[in-house]
Amino acid sequence: DAGVIQSPRHEVTEMGQEVTLRCKPISGHDYLFWYRQTMMRGLELLIYFNNNVPIDDSGMPEDRFSAKMPNASFSTLKIQPSEPRDSAVYFCASSLLGPDSYEQYFGPGTRLTVT
Amino acid sequence: AQKITQTQPGMFVQEKEAVTLDCTYDTSDPSYGLFWYKQPSSGEMIFLIYQGSYDQQNATEGRYSLNFQKARKSANLVISASQLGDSAMYFCAMARLGGTYKYIFGTGTRLKVLA
Repeated sequence: DAGVIQSPRHEVTEMGQEVTLRCKPISGHDYLFWYRQTMMRGLELLIYFNNNVPIDDSGMPEDRFSAKMPNASFSTLKIQPSEPRDSAVYFCASSLLGPDSYEQYFGPGTRLTVT
Repeated sequence: AQKITQTQPGMFVQEKEAVTLDCTYDTSDPSYGLFWYKQPSSGEMIFLIYQGSYDQQNATEGRYSLNFQKARKSANLVISASQLGDSAMYFCAMARLGGTYKYIFGTGTRLKVLA
């Protein structure tokens, strides 16, 4: 079974540019989570979806960030316009949450550098 | 509000020895889960072990065990027979079960296994 797939693995962009990060969850998982990891703030939950519907986006830092999940096998996190402080590793995770399974499975992450 | 605390920023252990990584938590939720993840230098987040708040026995997964002391609100990870490949960052996380399933992560402990 393939794990969570994220692309690109590395992204370098200039301030002001639009950045789109992509995620393919594990097949059959009905929860999808987007996290950001920085040295200063650690791992932060940005948004999560259940059955393609955004449930909680309270962690999204500001209106420059948006996330979509058009179908069960694909999600995007978009930053427009990007700023240097957005530089971080962005993780996507998926889960099949229920009485016997609460763990989340993480993708390899996308390292974003905004110059 | 939920909180996870990992007080050990770094730990050393000799190869083949056991090591305990500390994690304390605070929550008012009656039903919650505790998780440990490993993040090697390559960056991916690897799920290790899960403990539910109502589980009577401590969780074990191979060389990993979770020393769950509910009254003390601690969920320490014990790694037995340490291997060089165990050198990594280790994160403790907590989630309320039922409802939001949002993870809160600790700041992590960097473990170095010495040959």
